[in-house]
Amino acid sequence: ELKVEQNPLFLSMQEGKNYTIYCNYSTTSDRLYWYRQDPGKSLESLFVLLSNGAVKQEGRLMASLDTKARLSTLHITAAVHDLSATYFCAVDTDGNQFYFGTGTSLTVIP
Amino acid sequence: SAVISQKPSRDICQRGTSLTIQCQVDSQVTMMFWYRQQPGQSLTLIATANQGSEATYESGFVIDKFPISRPNLTFSTLTVSNMSPEDSSIYLCSVEGQGGSFYGYTFGSGTRLTVV
Repeated sequence: ELKVEQNPLFLSMQEGKNYTIYCNYSTTSDRLYWYRQDPGKSLESLFVLLSNGAVKQEGRLMASLDTKARLSTLHITAAVHDLSATYFCAVDTDGNQFYFGTGTSLTVIP
Repeated sequence: SAVISQKPSRDICQRGTSLTIQCQVDSQVTMMFWYRQQPGQSLTLIATANQGSEATYESGFVIDKFPISRPNLTFSTLTVSNMSPEDSSIYLCSVEGQGGSFYGYTFGSGTRLTVV
């Protein structure tokens, strides 16, 4: 059974600090996605990582993918309150199977 | 990317009844996906719906409980049948981005279901 695990599950950080969320998965895949979900809302696509070594950045968020280690990271730089949300990674195994990670609930404290 | 209109956005239903959730996409898509998100949890894939064939259900989900229709390439429905309080969740539909999964997946706005 495919497992997609994130850590930490809960993260409380102060504004201006840096932190990294980790996403480990248990099967071969070269497609990894990051989503953001605000309370009561649907999912917003953040990043699509399609190959080993892929790195993408948008504002204060940067995502990377290491397919050999089956690991993706979401790095937060100089956090601001607006980044408070739940972040999910998801793995696409063959185009028909799409599995979400456990989610990381991020709270940025002023 | 595709735009999905999902309705209803929320509903409160009596146990033992059924609710049908609709998703309309603004472009033709081969596969549509239905997810359940229980309170405070991640998303779990219920089934994949292809037009012209029966939906493919994931382990733990059965057609009698979650019948799905896919009458054309832009529309799908998910019915939650004989509901119990344990069915209280957010239900979301999803489609691949234009150009396939290389562009990510788009999600509907979700249906928040409460069963009383």
